Amino acid sequence: GDSVTQMEGPVTLSEEAFLTINCTYTATGYPSLFWYVQYPGEGLQLLLKATKADDKGSNKGFEATYRKETTSFHLEKGSVQVSDSAVYFCALTPPGGKLIFGQGTELSVKP
Amino acid sequence: KAGVTQTPRYLIKTRGQQVTLSCSPISGHRSVSWYQQTPGQGLQFLFEYFSETQRNKGNFPGRFSGRQFSNSRSEMNVSTLELGDSALYLCASSLDGGRNQPQHFGDGTRLSIL
Repeated sequence: GDSVTQMEGPVTLSEEAFLTINCTYTATGYPSLFWYVQYPGEGLQLLLKATKADDKGSNKGFEATYRKETTSFHLEKGSVQVSDSAVYFCALTPPGGKLIFGQGTELSVKP
Repeated sequence: KAGVTQTPRYLIKTRGQQVTLSCSPISGHRSVSWYQQTPGQGLQFLFEYFSETQRNKGNFPGRFSGRQFSNSRSEMNVSTLELGDSALYLCASSLDGGRNQPQHFGDGTRLSIL
């Protein structure tokens, strides 16, 4: 069945460091891909999305490119801030609409 | 524009009881989905409602049920509660549940079973 695999956390970085969180997927058809972020005590917020191959989603300095050839959707940010500390979820929607999530990657950014 | 509202934020119940959680979607959104979040299993899809009809269902026992009203508000019910039902229950809405549409999440209801 369809699934999403993320790199395990927690990931600890210093402020202004470069961030990569790996995400690969298995899906039939052509899913849409998403990154969501969850801050402590809150629900999930959409960070960015891509709906077809080679699309690049971007928001708040974060970027991810839909790579169909490698079935990947890695999240990157050039310079992280303490306020980026949160749990990041990669997700896909196959035809049918429900979201399938990866296990989440906790990011901690130290000043 | 108001976001997705879930009530209550916290609930404490005992085994064997039942519970009803409520979700008000963003105005104009007709698709409402429910997810269970636990440390062990992560985020798992429960079901989706659209126009008062359950359109998709995840792999959960029949103790988990839901409904949607004509104003798109949704409720989720869990009967005969078990310790393993302790979780954060998240509701999400979108315009019509299309796969390209992002889902907008509420802050969740944290259910604790004693």
